[in-house]
Amino acid sequence: EDQVTQSPEALRLQEGESSSLNCSYTVSGLRGLFWYRQDPGKGPEFLFTLYSAGEEKEKERLKATLTKKESFLHITAPKPEDSATYLCAVQAFGGLTGGGNKLTFGTGTQLKVEL
Amino acid sequence: KAGVTQTPRYLIKTRGQQVTLSCSPISGHRSVSWYQQTPGQGLQFLFEYFSETQRNKGNFPGRFSGRQFSNSRSEMNVSTLELGDSALYLCASSRDGIEAFFGQGTRLTVV
Repeated sequence: EDQVTQSPEALRLQEGESSSLNCSYTVSGLRGLFWYRQDPGKGPEFLFTLYSAGEEKEKERLKATLTKKESFLHITAPKPEDSATYLCAVQAFGGLTGGGNKLTFGTGTQLKVEL
Repeated sequence: KAGVTQTPRYLIKTRGQQVTLSCSPISGHRSVSWYQQTPGQGLQFLFEYFSETQRNKGNFPGRFSGRQFSNSRSEMNVSTLELGDSALYLCASSRDGIEAFFGQGTRLTVV
């Protein structure tokens, strides 16, 4: 069974204080690893997809990296508007169960950036 | 480009009733997935439809069902509602590449 574990559960940063969020995963065959941002009461907002170990993607102050066992979301010089819950999810290749677009999510890291 | 649209945004139902939620995917996307989000369990996969066929199903009781129409719009139905069904129900659409885009969700409260 695919599993995703995110740490820490919550993180409080000062504006400009860089940090990293961790996503550890076990999956039968990784088709893709996803990062989403979710604001309270809203649906997850897509950030990145990573497909293979060694891959990196950047968007503004965010950078996602991937190894064979985990992914990191690095936040450089965060601002208060970066406050949100960050979700990691994995998608496995098909096989007997048929695959498809099923995502297995971690429980998220709640980030708070203060002035 | 319009995003994923879910209706209604909020619902209050009584135990034992049934409910139908609707999802209109991004134009051109043929895959629609449904997820339940609760504070205790996080986001859990319910099922996925592709070209009107259920392609994958999560570990939820048979009270949870869905369907997809020829225009890719999807509906999810929950029968005999229980208090524990209170949650944010999210729909995600995909072109059947890999990236999935979520709607704003339907907040269901069962009283």
